[in-house]
Amino acid sequence: GQQLNQSPQSMFIQEGEDVSMNCTSSSIFNTWLWYKQDPGEGPVLLIALYKAGELTSNGRLTAQFGITRKDSFLNISASIPSDVGIYFCAAPDRAGNNRKLIWGLGTSLAVNP
Amino acid sequence: GAGVSQSPSNKVTEKGKDVELRCDPISGHTALYWYRQSLGQGLEFLIYFQGNSAPDKSGLPSDRFSAERTGGSVSTLTIQRTQQEDSAVYLCASGPPGQNEKLFFGSGTQLSVL
Repeated sequence: GQQLNQSPQSMFIQEGEDVSMNCTSSSIFNTWLWYKQDPGEGPVLLIALYKAGELTSNGRLTAQFGITRKDSFLNISASIPSDVGIYFCAAPDRAGNNRKLIWGLGTSLAVNP
Repeated sequence: GAGVSQSPSNKVTEKGKDVELRCDPISGHTALYWYRQSLGQGLEFLIYFQGNSAPDKSGLPSDRFSAERTGGSVSTLTIQRTQQEDSAVYLCASGPPGQNEKLFFGSGTQLSVL
């Protein structure tokens, strides 16, 4: 079945460091999404990717849609304390006519000021 | 309101009681989703609405769970005869027409079953 595997599961970094995380699958997707969940809140969409090879930035965040369409990467540059949270990748469930999203289990990020 | 509103934000109930969770989506959003998130876990899909109909109820864990949506707007998720394993955060999200991937989430209802 379609599954999204996120790594690493958790990260603990120093403020100012760059962060990289990824999401892989054995299935091909036409859209990749990255959401961030702050503590006590619902996830918020950070970046949406629609084309293989696409590289998109949102401030200090940059995400890439893998050329094989089976993976995506999220980078955060010069991390700050408010980057703390859980980062989820997601993709439309093709088996369900793209009506709902498949979610990774998340990468939990902690930033030491 | 400007965002997705969920109520109550916290609910403590006794095992065996029924609970109702409410979601007010963003005005004009036709798609509405309910998810469940256990502590430190990912998002578990429960049910999806398009307008007032629910084409996908495949994530509802048991027949104790039901949901409805009226007027293409407000949705309620009902859990009957609550069990301790129902304790979790219940998240609602809505999506604009034709863009189901761009979900807007509420802050969730933290349900604790004692």
